Amino acid sequence: NAGVTQTPKFQVLKTGQSMTLQCAQDMNHEYMSWYRQDPGMGLRLIHYSVGAGITDQGEVPNGYNVSRSTTEDFPLRLLSAAPSQTSVYFCASSRQGTGYTFGSGTRLTVV
Amino acid sequence: RKEVEQDPGPFNVPEGATVAFNCTYSNSASQSFFWYRQDCRKEPKLLMSVYSSGNEDGRFTAQLNRASQYISLLIRDSKLSDSATYLCVVNLMAAGNKLTFGGGTRVLVKP
Repeated sequence: NAGVTQTPKFQVLKTGQSMTLQCAQDMNHEYMSWYRQDPGMGLRLIHYSVGAGITDQGEVPNGYNVSRSTTEDFPLRLLSAAPSQTSVYFCASSRQGTGYTFGSGTRLTVV
Repeated sequence: RKEVEQDPGPFNVPEGATVAFNCTYSNSASQSFFWYRQDCRKEPKLLMSVYSSGNEDGRFTAQLNRASQYISLLIRDSKLSDSATYLCVVNLMAAGNKLTFGGGTRVLVKP
């Protein structure tokens, strides 16, 4: 039981590049979310999903896309990376009414 | 006004002492509440859920005051290992288990 697995752990992108942050969970959780954490800003919700095939926007969705084709996977796509997207990204999953389990994070730098 | 507000601290606590801090939330429809712990450059980890009647887990006690819309965390007999940032988390159940995080309260336990 690996919990929530995020890859890669570190990434450096050039402005304008695109990439996908991977997230997988093996706990059969229906809810999954992506957060970004910036110094002094706390955790902010980017996108979340209540089940396979269902996604919705969070607080800061611009510049990111998600899809949820399976219960296990919830990738986050950066369409055209910008320096403002330099951050630590956390994926998390949960069952209804319970707290989220977080992955170990992806540290992204956009230069 | 932020949906979930916390005193950022730091709370400097002598080892063995008791420390308590609060978190206020703005949405009276909030259904469930959690405290998370986050160590530097690590993912948030669930510390405890917060129940209406209050609950205790070892040296940690959480309280909920729905009338005044705040939750509290008390740490007794502080250990050096309790040094961390404590995140207050609120869930609007109707919003599909979408969690809103406070900015965190930093606690430093010193010998």
